[in-house]
Amino acid sequence: GENVEQHPSTLSVQEGDSAVIKCTYSDSASNYFPWYKQELGKRPQLIIDIRSNVGEKKDQRIAVTLNKTAKHFSLHITETQPEDSAVYFCAATRVDSSYKLIFGSGTRLLVRP
Amino acid sequence: NAGVTQTPKFRVLKTGQSMTLLCAQDMNHEYMYWYRQDPGMGLRLIHYSVGEGTTAKGEVPDGYNVSRLKKQNFLLGLESAAPSQTSVYFCASSGHYYEQYFGPGTRLTVT
Repeated sequence: GENVEQHPSTLSVQEGDSAVIKCTYSDSASNYFPWYKQELGKRPQLIIDIRSNVGEKKDQRIAVTLNKTAKHFSLHITETQPEDSAVYFCAATRVDSSYKLIFGSGTRLLVRP
Repeated sequence: NAGVTQTPKFRVLKTGQSMTLLCAQDMNHEYMYWYRQDPGMGLRLIHYSVGEGTTAKGEVPDGYNVSRLKKQNFLLGLESAAPSQTSVYFCASSGHYYEQYFGPGTRLTVT
């Protein structure tokens, strides 16, 4: 089955700097890769996703890149702000009849003011 | 439109007791999922359902059972709780456009 590895487990950056979180997946048939943000005590919420037919997607300060050959994808946050502090999870799935996601172990991002 | 709701929010059980967690969604979603979240281990899929009357095993199904008798509800049961089942449980649902919407979670402690 699918396995998703996520690095780093913790990341501390200065406000205004960029943050990059990386994930690798094992199932070459996976074709949908979402990123979820979870603030302390809250539920995970989707912030951006990418499908295997594109290599990059941007939404304001966040972007995701996908390298299908190497089976890895990354989340990029530019001009970080204190409210970006949270745990970020990557996930992967093969879009078939279930849409079930396999999650990475999470990255705790701290943005220092 | 409440989205995805979970009942209860908190629960403490003694080893060997049983309980049922209820998940409800009002978005007419076909797919529903139960995850558990433990520190440093992300979200792990317990069971899922692709439609009313269907269920399937996820990554960590042992010790849990589920039922989906109505499209809007997905129940997670623990027949004989163990301390290893202490966790935060999240329910999620999705339609045909991939995004999963999560409920607020249930914090379960088994002593």
